[in-house]
Amino acid sequence: SAVISQKPSRDICQRGTSLTIQCQVDSQVTMMFWYRQQPGQSLTLIATANQGSEATYESGFVIDKFPISRPNLTFSTLTVSNMSPEDSSIYLCSVGDSSIHYGYTFGSGTRLTVV
Amino acid sequence: AQSVTQLDSHVSVSEGTPVLLRCNYSSSYSPSLFWYVQHPNKGLQLLLKYTSAATLVKGINGFEAEFKKSETSFHLTKPSAHMSDAAEYFCVVSAAAGNKLTFGGGTRVLVKP
Repeated sequence: SAVISQKPSRDICQRGTSLTIQCQVDSQVTMMFWYRQQPGQSLTLIATANQGSEATYESGFVIDKFPISRPNLTFSTLTVSNMSPEDSSIYLCSVGDSSIHYGYTFGSGTRLTVV
Repeated sequence: AQSVTQLDSHVSVSEGTPVLLRCNYSSSYSPSLFWYVQHPNKGLQLLLKYTSAATLVKGINGFEAEFKKSETSFHLTKPSAHMSDAAEYFCVVSAAAGNKLTFGGGTRVLVKP
């Protein structure tokens, strides 16, 4: 299965600032996703990162707050903009393949604390 | 549309006794189903997956799950719990290959010595 490198692993940020999270995969993958895991909660899908086109956002998430880039089949970034303490969460990158035989792989996550 | 319900938010077992984590799903299509485990301050690890092959699926670390279409269930079991099984477990559904995942609320497993 694919190996994901996600950076940074954690950060503490001031409210009103932005943080960009990077997701690098060691092979070309069809599907890339970004999830949020709020403290003590399950994972919620933010958006699907589409190569060469705008990301597809889930209900409750908007591009102005969570802009996503995917310039190629191995790399994506998620930016958390104009942060508030409510954005404190773990953000995870995930990749999948149309064959699904190896399931979905997740990055180790970015633990974000907004103060 | 798809959804997942994990029937227990917390499960407590004694080491060496069986573990049962219950999961019910809803999907408009023939689903793919997964169980993931998340140890404290660790990433998500795939335990096992069902993708329309055998209904009894064996995974890593002695876990297995049975897909029951008539009951729309995908319960996770292990015959004998180990201290290292203490973690959060997520049941996950996907409507199609490469499609987005929907997570259940999670079940936190506590293993007592």
